[in-house]
Amino acid sequence: GEDVEQSLFLSVREGDSSVINCTYTDSSSTYLYWYKQEPGAGLQLLTYIFSNMDMKQDQRLTVLLNKKDKHLSLRIADTQTGDSAIYFCAERGQPGRRALTFGSGTRLQVQP
Amino acid sequence: DAGVIQSPRHEVTEMGQEVTLRCKPISGHDYLFWYRQTMMRGLELLIYFNNNVPIDDSGMPEDRFSAKMPNASFSTLKIQPSEPRDSAVYFCASSPGQAGTDTQYFGPGTRLTVL
Repeated sequence: GEDVEQSLFLSVREGDSSVINCTYTDSSSTYLYWYKQEPGAGLQLLTYIFSNMDMKQDQRLTVLLNKKDKHLSLRIADTQTGDSAIYFCAERGQPGRRALTFGSGTRLQVQP
Repeated sequence: DAGVIQSPRHEVTEMGQEVTLRCKPISGHDYLFWYRQTMMRGLELLIYFNNNVPIDDSGMPEDRFSAKMPNASFSTLKIQPSEPRDSAVYFCASSPGQAGTDTQYFGPGTRLTVL
């Protein structure tokens, strides 16, 4: 079945870059997503990448996809204290399947 | 648009009681999803609907859980009878159903505590 894995915790200093990693097993994944969850809130879509792309940049966010290794990463440049949250990687498998499979989430702590 | 609306935001109930969680998807969205989030199991898909019809309910834990979508603007998730292990945050999400990314938009969640 599908599985998505992430490391549980990352701590960085304000102003540094953060890199959050994710691996997945479903080779038929079509889209891969990054969501952000702040305390007490729902999940907010940050960005996504289509499986035939290897990079996508959106302001301070850079997504890298290595489809061969089934590895996805999210880089946040110039990390701010407001970026402290849990970041979820998610994948959508076969084109006809609408449900997402989520990783366990990576808690990013930004130290001032 | 107000986004996905869920109610109540918090629910505390006693074991054995019936619990009903409510969701109003974004207008015009064809898909509605119910997820459950716990520390132990992370985010799990419970069920999803397309045009008010349940498509995949394989994530529904057991017969105590039921979900309905009587119309395009309303869905309920019912637990009867509730048990302490049902304590979790329940999220509703909707998506437009378009080809391509078909992004899911999440509600703020309902935090359920069963004593």
